[in-house]
Amino acid sequence: QSALTQPRSVAGSPGQSVTISCTGTSSDVGAYKYVSWYQHHPGNAPKFLIYHVDKRPSGVPDRFSGSKSGNTASLTISGLQSEDEADYYCCAYAGGYFWVFGGGTKVTVL
Amino acid sequence: QVQLVQSGAEMKKPGASVKISCKTSGYTFTAYAIHWVRQAPGQGPEWMGWLHPGNGNTHYSQKFQGRVTITRDTSATTAYMELTNLTSEDRAVYYCAKDYGGHQLEFWGQGTLVTVSS
Repeated sequence: QSALTQPRSVAGSPGQSVTISCTGTSSDVGAYKYVSWYQHHPGNAPKFLIYHVDKRPSGVPDRFSGSKSGNTASLTISGLQSEDEADYYCCAYAGGYFWVFGGGTKVTVL
Repeated sequence: QVQLVQSGAEMKKPGASVKISCKTSGYTFTAYAIHWVRQAPGQGPEWMGWLHPGNGNTHYSQKFQGRVTITRDTSATTAYMELTNLTSEDRAVYYCAKDYGGHQLEFWGQGTLVTVSS
C-alpha cells in the first residue's frame, strides 16, 4: 500500500488561506469517510485537527476545514496565523484494519 | 483529560528487540483501540498495528507481520509494542495513539525515539 500523496510544502502570508491536498486511491481516500488530518509541531505529539473528512474535534478553530472529492482530500487553513506553521499529515482508513498516511506537508507562514 | 505517556528513548544494537510502553489515562482504556505508528527521519508516519484493549484483538501491517507484537495490561491501562530483529531501517520515532472510535487516530503519545546502531 503506497503512502498518500501530499505536497512537500505550502506557504502563505498571515491572513491568507492555504490548501493542502492528499491524494490516494479508490481503496482508501475514495472508499471511506475515514479521512483525518493532524498538525505536528516537531517534538510534540501530533494534534487531531479533522476527522470524518470534514469534522472538527472540540477546541479546533473553525479556520481549519476539510473536504474530499473522489480520491483526493483537502485541508484548508483560512486566516493563516504564525502558530499554524507546522507539518500537516493526512490519514485514511484503507479497509481490512489498515491505515495509510500522507508524506506530510510543511506549512510556512511568510 | 486524555493522556498517553510513552516510555523513554531507546538505543539498541542490530538484531535486538525493543519494547515501548504507552500509559493511558483520562478515558476508559478497554473501550477504544490503540494504534502504533512510526515516523522515520524526513518521512511521513507509517501505521504499524492496532490493538483493542477490551478483548486483546490485534491487527498488524503486513510490512511488520512477524516482527511486531502489541499487547496490553488492562489493570495498568497500558499498551505495549515490541519490535524484534531491529535494523538501522527501524530508526524512528514510535507513537501510540488512541482510536477515536471511528477508525481514526485521536490522541497521540509524545513519541519514543528508537536508535539502532552497532
